[in-house]
Amino acid sequence: NAGVTQTPKFRVLKTGQSMTLLCAQDMNHEYMYWYRQDPGMGLRLIHYSVGEGTTAKGEVPDGYNVSRLKKQNFLLGLESAAPSQTSVYFCASSYQGTHQPQHFGDGTRLSIL
Amino acid sequence: AQKVTQAQTEISVVEKEDVTLDCVYKTRDTTYYLFWYKQPPSGELVFLIRRNSFDEQNEISGRYSRNFQKSTSSFNFTITASQVVDSAVYFCALKRGGSNYKLTFGKGTLLTVNP
Repeated sequence: NAGVTQTPKFRVLKTGQSMTLLCAQDMNHEYMYWYRQDPGMGLRLIHYSVGEGTTAKGEVPDGYNVSRLKKQNFLLGLESAAPSQTSVYFCASSYQGTHQPQHFGDGTRLSIL
Repeated sequence: AQKVTQAQTEISVVEKEDVTLDCVYKTRDTTYYLFWYKQPPSGELVFLIRRNSFDEQNEISGRYSRNFQKSTSSFNFTITASQVVDSAVYFCALKRGGSNYKLTFGKGTLLTVNP
């Protein structure tokens, strides 16, 4: 059972470089989310999507862009990476409905030098 | 504003002991949802249990039980007869009702179960 798959699992970037993190889910979930996890901060929502073609800002959206061209995929882009974006990034998805739990991927560990 | 507080930063127990993880939440909403997630050393986040604000019953699922006290805004999680494999960081999370999709996480409690 694949569930939520994140690519890549690890990446090291130099300041100013750009990259895209890919999230794919095979559960036919309507909603998808991108979080970042930093030591002592818990998880914070970056952007989310409530359906194909829609995106919305979360708690810490600055420096990131997202796209949801297909229902099963949610892309997170860093246009010009900064050291402050060094973090572990988690993608999640859920069925429609606020009571539904979010199911998470295994995370992407990103280091910006 | 919503807030989730997990006052216990780290807990260490010996295998087979019962352990309770505390979670206190703050919200002005009358309808909301509470979740517990587990993050083992391998890093993935695993959904454990869910509770809505209007359900009065506390439930037990295997070795896990939850204790929801609306009067004290607490949503505690108990593991009975802990095992080494229970060692992980546990996160409590709160979601508002309605169309708000933000999941507010606590900062987590590191549970270490020693053999």
